[in-house]
Amino acid sequence: DAKTTQPNSMESNEEEPVHLPCNHSTISGTDYIHWYRQLPSQGPEYVIHGLTSNVNNRMASLAIAEDRKSSTLILHRATLRDAAVYYCILRVRDNYGQNFVFGPGTRLSVLP
Amino acid sequence: AAGVIQSPRHLIKEKRETATLKCYPIPRHDTVYWYQQGPGQDPQFLISFYEKMQSDKGSIPDRFSAQQFSDYHSELNMSSLELGDSALYFCASSLVGLADYEQYFGPGTRLTVT
Repeated sequence: DAKTTQPNSMESNEEEPVHLPCNHSTISGTDYIHWYRQLPSQGPEYVIHGLTSNVNNRMASLAIAEDRKSSTLILHRATLRDAAVYYCILRVRDNYGQNFVFGPGTRLSVLP
Repeated sequence: AAGVIQSPRHLIKEKRETATLKCYPIPRHDTVYWYQQGPGQDPQFLISFYEKMQSDKGSIPDRFSAQQFSDYHSELNMSSLELGDSALYFCASSLVGLADYEQYFGPGTRLTVT
């Protein structure tokens, strides 16, 4: 499985944008980039995913580098409820039944 | 919208006992995944089932077994429990072939082995 690396932790002030980076230098052309987050004492929650183009949804934006070796999850206005561990995960295209390999993730703290 | 249901939510067992965890996937989902998350650790994949057949296997101990039933619910059976089995056990479900692929996670079962 291709691996991802993320910073162990990040801090943000409430209502400010947050950029969470992820490096995946060994990504293959068929790997989707997924982001999940886990709030304390809860199961992981889907945030966003993409393949090549930048993606936006109601929760966040995903910016993917042109060479796809890195990506950035963007929370446009952090709230206290966004404090969680954020996981960047690669999934092989068309392998819908593939399990996820969770790395250490980034623990995001949001300061009031 | 219906979510993944796991039962029980909390379970306390003694060493060498057995435990059964249950997972009810989102209606129409055909794939179930089991993950284990130890204290302060990241979720680790155990096993998955697609259409009642085992589809992938991760770091599941030989003392554990699982199956998916005709109604698509799944059970994780754990025997000869050890202290190190204390963890959160998450079940996730998905619909294979869904273009916008997501795994939907349940709230987890917290197993404490004493």
